[in-house]
Amino acid sequence: RKEVEQDPGPFNVPEGATVAFNCTYSNSASQSFFWYRQDCRKEPKLLMSVYSSGNEDGRFTAQLNRASQYISLLIRDSKLSDSATYLCAVNMGLFYNQGGKLIFGQGTELSVKP
Amino acid sequence: NAGVTQTPKFQVLKTGQSMTLQCAQDMNHNSMYWYRQDPGMGLRLIYYSASEGTTDKGEVPNGYNVSRLNKREFSLRLESAAPSQTSVYFCASSNTEFSNQPQHFGDGTRLSIL
Repeated sequence: RKEVEQDPGPFNVPEGATVAFNCTYSNSASQSFFWYRQDCRKEPKLLMSVYSSGNEDGRFTAQLNRASQYISLLIRDSKLSDSATYLCAVNMGLFYNQGGKLIFGQGTELSVKP
Repeated sequence: NAGVTQTPKFQVLKTGQSMTLQCAQDMNHNSMYWYRQDPGMGLRLIYYSASEGTTDKGEVPNGYNVSRLNKREFSLRLESAAPSQTSVYFCASSNTEFSNQPQHFGDGTRLSIL
């Protein structure tokens, strides 16, 4: 089993749709979780951190399910500009001991169509 | 806001040539990282440095060396380039003196080995 897994997609959705991505992780000791956005092999950019209680930023909602070891990203009212690859990132144990290392999923491609 | 700066942005090498990729950050981060990204493989960690003067291997260190010159700069060296090292290379930094801190990426170096 890979340490961090994502459905590669692509997810093709119409504008205005709601879309959700999941990311599973293997290490139950993981403490830090993030969602990144990457456009056309440009640099990954932080979209949002994922907190234990869940968190929301505008149209984006992130959730953490420790029992099932996955994080999710929900995008409401999709825009054309949301088309990108979404990467999840998870640390694999005690944050300080690992030098802040993150393991990245392979990314989920989202294409929002008019 | 420079953030993380990588040079060069593009480079073409012949097999067996050597070169150094440069990375500098102005965010006073203690940890820095080098990744490579290949189609279908996601981001893979080559080396990282949790503090000035320390470096550690990541997932794919073979064929590479690194130097943490000071707190700001972290360079990646290919001693004898091989076609398998054709990739997009990203440098990142993070403030791991605090927990749950994300990594911030430079805009990448696109390297082709002929």
